[in-house]
Amino acid sequence: GAVVSQHPSRVICKSGTSVKIECRSLDFQATTMFWYRQFPKQSLMLMATSNEGSKATYEQGVEKDKFLINHASLTLSTLTVTSAHPEDSSFYICSAQGLAGEEFFGPGTRLTVL
Amino acid sequence: GNSVTQMEGPVTLSEEAFLTINCTYTATGYPSLFWYVQYPGEGLQLLLKATKADDKGSNKGFEATYRKETTSFHLEKGSVQVSDSAVYFCALSDKDSSYKLIFGSGTRLLVRP
Repeated sequence: GAVVSQHPSRVICKSGTSVKIECRSLDFQATTMFWYRQFPKQSLMLMATSNEGSKATYEQGVEKDKFLINHASLTLSTLTVTSAHPEDSSFYICSAQGLAGEEFFGPGTRLTVL
Repeated sequence: GNSVTQMEGPVTLSEEAFLTINCTYTATGYPSLFWYVQYPGEGLQLLLKATKADDKGSNKGFEATYRKETTSFHLEKGSVQVSDSAVYFCALSDKDSSYKLIFGSGTRLLVRP
């Protein structure tokens, strides 16, 4: 089946620094990838839709200048949390859309901002 | 707006017990309904889905029936195994949400030997 990886799986950083999270589709090409955020005991919330070769589409309330998304190739999308603060600590999950429209999810990245 | 509500966990069962995880939804249109499973350290995987009322999705012994009259899509399994221990997410998508997935909060299942 289709495999999506995320790197790193865990990251701890100091407040004010930037963190980059990678999402890769390992055995298929994905023109569309999605980034989600999950707070403890809460739903996955869609943050943005990443389209290869074009600007990402952000959901209402998500700061595009804080959460920079780059989808430079058909197998890689990156999410950069800029000037991270403790309230950005969360579980970030990506998914990649296959040809039939199904989403394949990565294992997630836990970000802790001190 | 559209939303999904599922029972809080954790749900703890003994092996071979019967499982039900409740899920209800609110939608203005006619959504497709999904159950995803997340095993420890892995990404969410589609477990089963149903696209219209009265459809039954099934996979790996799990079943869920799309009940429009009660706006529900409860997940059931007749005899759980230790390997079923995971977090289960109910989700919907429809035209009104631009076919984006809307998830419930997840229910952790722990099956003891």
